[in-house]
Amino acid sequence: DTGVSQNPRHKITKRGQNVTFRCDPISEHNRLYWYRQTLGQGPEFLTYFQNEAQLEKSRLLSDRFSAERPKGSFSTLEIQRTEQGDSAMYLCAGSDQRGTIFGSGTQLSVL
Amino acid sequence: RKEVEQDPGPFNVPEGATVAFNCTYSNSASQSFFWYRQDCRKEPKLLMSVYSSGNEDGRFTAQLNRASQYISLLIRDSKLSDSATYLCVVNPRSNTGNQFYFGTGTSLTVIP
Repeated sequence: DTGVSQNPRHKITKRGQNVTFRCDPISEHNRLYWYRQTLGQGPEFLTYFQNEAQLEKSRLLSDRFSAERPKGSFSTLEIQRTEQGDSAMYLCAGSDQRGTIFGSGTQLSVL
Repeated sequence: RKEVEQDPGPFNVPEGATVAFNCTYSNSASQSFFWYRQDCRKEPKLLMSVYSSGNEDGRFTAQLNRASQYISLLIRDSKLSDSATYLCVVNPRSNTGNQFYFGTGTSLTVIP
C-alpha cells in the first residue's frame, strides 16, 4: 500500500447528472473520512466510517449525497442531481493509530 | 462561531525570515491538534502534531496554549520550498464525534 488513492482525479459533469467517486485507503485504515474543500477554504467534514459503519454525517451531506463502505475497505461517495454549488475538491482520508493520510482528491466541476 | 479560526494571510516573507502563525479553537475539550501543509491543488499533508509541552521538528516549532485555546506554528530560516498553505486542525475526539476540524488555512509565500 502506497497511500490513499482516489478516483477519478478530475470529473466534469453537467448539472443534474449523478457522479460517483471512489476512495481506496490503506488496508490498515479502520477509519475513513470524506471532506469537501472549496477554493480558499479549509476542508469541511462530510462523513466518517469506522470499518463499514457510517458513524457520523455532517449537515452538509444533503439527501443528494450518499456514502458507502460496504466491506470496510474502499468507499464510494455518490452525488445525485448535481448542482453547480457541488463543484469542489472531494478529499478522502484514512486513519489508524499511526495517523491520518489524505488522498489526492477528486476535483468535481459541475457545468 | 467557527470551530477553528486562522488568519488567512497572505504572509509574504523573504528567504531566511522567521514567521509565526496562530490559530484559535472553540472547543475547550479538544484533545488532538495538528498542523497540515497543503500545496496548490494538492491534498493536505501532515506537517506535525502539536503536543501540550510543545514540540520541534527542525526549523518548525509548534506550541499549544490550552488556557487561551490557541495553537502556534513557528518557521525559522524560511526556505522557498516552505511556500504553501498551512492548515490548523483540531480533533475533539469527543463521544459526539471523531471528525477533524480544519481552519481556512494561512497562505505563506517565501520570496527570494
